[in-house]
Amino acid sequence: GQSLEQPSEVTAVEGAIVQINCTYQTSGFYGLSWYQQHDGGAPTFLSYNGLDGLEETGRFSSFLSRSDSYGYLLLQELQMKDSASYFCAVSTGTASKLTFGTGTRLQVTL
Amino acid sequence: EAQVTQNPRYLITVTGKKLTVTCSQNMNHEYMSWYRQDPGLGLRQIYYSMNVEVTDKGDVPEGYKVSRKEKRNFPLILESPSPNQTSLYFCASSALTGANTIYFGEGSWLTVV
Repeated sequence: GQSLEQPSEVTAVEGAIVQINCTYQTSGFYGLSWYQQHDGGAPTFLSYNGLDGLEETGRFSSFLSRSDSYGYLLLQELQMKDSASYFCAVSTGTASKLTFGTGTRLQVTL
Repeated sequence: EAQVTQNPRYLITVTGKKLTVTCSQNMNHEYMSWYRQDPGLGLRQIYYSMNVEVTDKGDVPEGYKVSRKEKRNFPLILESPSPNQTSLYFCASSALTGANTIYFGEGSWLTVV
C-alpha cells in the first residue's frame, strides 16, 4: 500500500517562510500534489510535481525528489490567511488513485 | 463559474436506510472521485471514475457504490449505511488527473445513527 508522512503541526510568524515536508512510500508512483484546506472548507489544489525539481506558483513552491521519495511545500511571505491545513497526496498507477497524507496544520502568528 | 456541486450538504439518517449523495460538475471533466475525511485520517479515496461507465475502487470502497452514466454526474450510494460511515464526504473532478487542477465540492456532512 501507500503511506505518507508529514508533520502534524507547524507554527510560523507572519512574513516568514515555512517548509512542510512530505515523505512517502508507494508503488507505481506517478506524482505528488499539495492541497490547502481551511477549517470548514473544501480542499483547494495548490500544486503538482510529476518530475524532480521545483515548481513555483506565486508565494507557493513545491519540490519533488523521486529518488528520495520526498517532497516539500514552501510558503513564502506568510500571511494570516495562510493558516490552514496542508495535505500532500501521491498519485499512483494510472495517476487516478490519490492517497493523501494526514495533513499539516499551519498556524501563522503575528 | 467552474463548480462541483454536492447534495445534500448535511444529512442525518438511520442505520440501514439507503441514501444517495449526488455530485455534479459543469466543467466537462473526465475524472471524478469521492473521498471521505475523518479526524486524524486525512482524505481517503472511496471510488474514482476516468470516464463514463468507467469506475474503480479507491482505498476504502467497502459499503459504497458509485455510477457514472453521464459525464457530469457521479453519485455516491450507501445501500445500507452504518454508523462507521459517519463522515465528511467530498466529491472532486479534474480534466486530467495529477497535473491538472482538481476541483472539490463543498462537502457533505453525513451522520448515521
